[in-house]
Amino acid sequence: DTEVTQTPKHLVMGMTNKKSLKCEQHMGHRAMYWYKQKAKKPPELMFVYSYEKLSINESVPSRFSPECPNSSLLNLHLHALQPEDSALYLCASSQVWGAGGTYEQYFGPGTRLTVT
Amino acid sequence: GQNIDQPTEMTATEGAIVQINCTYQTSGFNGLFWYQQHAGEAPTFLSYNVLDGLEEKGRFSSFLSRSKGYSYLLLKELQMKDSASYLCAVRDSGTYKYIFGTGTRLKVLA
Repeated sequence: DTEVTQTPKHLVMGMTNKKSLKCEQHMGHRAMYWYKQKAKKPPELMFVYSYEKLSINESVPSRFSPECPNSSLLNLHLHALQPEDSALYLCASSQVWGAGGTYEQYFGPGTRLTVT
Repeated sequence: GQNIDQPTEMTATEGAIVQINCTYQTSGFNGLFWYQQHAGEAPTFLSYNVLDGLEEKGRFSSFLSRSKGYSYLLLKELQMKDSASYLCAVRDSGTYKYIFGTGTRLKVLA
């Protein structure tokens, strides 16, 4: 099973709402990632979790709050977002992160977020 | 600095062969990946090169020259379903991050 699942597929939220994006993988991967992708642009790295610990935060605004409850789950909590945050949010996983080796990333289908 | 360049768009005919180039400059190199991404969907892994040379996987092949900072993805016997964006990504050995190029949008015409 090489599947990464994400929910919801689409999300529309107002600037005062609080919502969460969820990601799950059952491949035993110990590295999980959040990316943001705007139309016709490459994915931009937001966060990296390695063995459930936050390893990389790419200076993401605090209105985005990641959480890794266990090795299979990754959440992204959203609060007080701006219209420019509208994008496709992709979750990915790989076997490991860091010096443990180079492995391909498996991406989920993404959540298309619209902030009104 | 870090820089990955790919052509923005390419067009090819069904049944033909197309080569998508990628040049990179990164502070460290730890592997190069090619992903396919259909519009509105997630990227899917196509190939991985860490040593110089050609890796072949069915209709897809990928080549790497580390000394030249250069890779290409070769797609043979093009099909309409190959119309997609193709992303080149380099893993930086210093930061361990995967750095994506801007992608090449390929249109396959009948």
